[in-house]
Amino acid sequence: ELKVEQNPLFLSMQEGKNYTIYCNYSTTSDRLYWYRQDPGKSLESLFVLLSNGAVKQEGRLMASLDTKARLSTLHITAAVHDLSATYFCAVDISYSGGGADGLTFGKGTHLIIQP
Amino acid sequence: DGGITQSPKYLFRKEGQNVTLSCEQNLNHDAMYWYRQDPGQGLRLIYYSQIVNDFQKGDIAEGYSVSREKKESFPLTVTSAQKNPTAFYLCASSFLQGQQYFGPGTRLTVT
Repeated sequence: ELKVEQNPLFLSMQEGKNYTIYCNYSTTSDRLYWYRQDPGKSLESLFVLLSNGAVKQEGRLMASLDTKARLSTLHITAAVHDLSATYFCAVDISYSGGGADGLTFGKGTHLIIQP
Repeated sequence: DGGITQSPKYLFRKEGQNVTLSCEQNLNHDAMYWYRQDPGQGLRLIYYSQIVNDFQKGDIAEGYSVSREKKESFPLTVTSAQKNPTAFYLCASSFLQGQQYFGPGTRLTVT
């Protein structure tokens, strides 16, 4: 059974600081997604990581994937208040079968950035 | 506009009643999915479908049923057998092996 663990689950930080969210998973996969969720809203896609060593950056957020370590990171640089949200990683192990079997999500990291 | 629609946005039901949540997509995606989210939790997969007239159980299918009669539609029925139905329900769709895109969600409250 695939397990996806995020840490920390809760993070309060000040504007201007840097921090990293970690996502570990238990089964071989090279397809990992990061999503953002604002309170009461649906999920917004942030990054799609499809191979070992993949690195994607958008603004103050950068995501990377190490398939050998079964680890993805989401790094926040010089945080701003607008980045306050809950961030989820999700792993897909269905690609090898050519199908689409659904994602397994971590519990999410609730991020609060204080002015 | 292309996208995924879910209706209604909010739904209230009495315990013991079945309720059906709608999910429609006009993205020509092959696969569709239903997830459930509880407060402070990640999403858990209920059912998914890769092709019309076929679907598979996810991790928490008990108390739920689905149908896939059309490529564009994947309704979810929450039956009275579901012990804790109050949750936020999210529908998603994708091409096979593609990125999943999520609808706006339906918040179901059962009292």
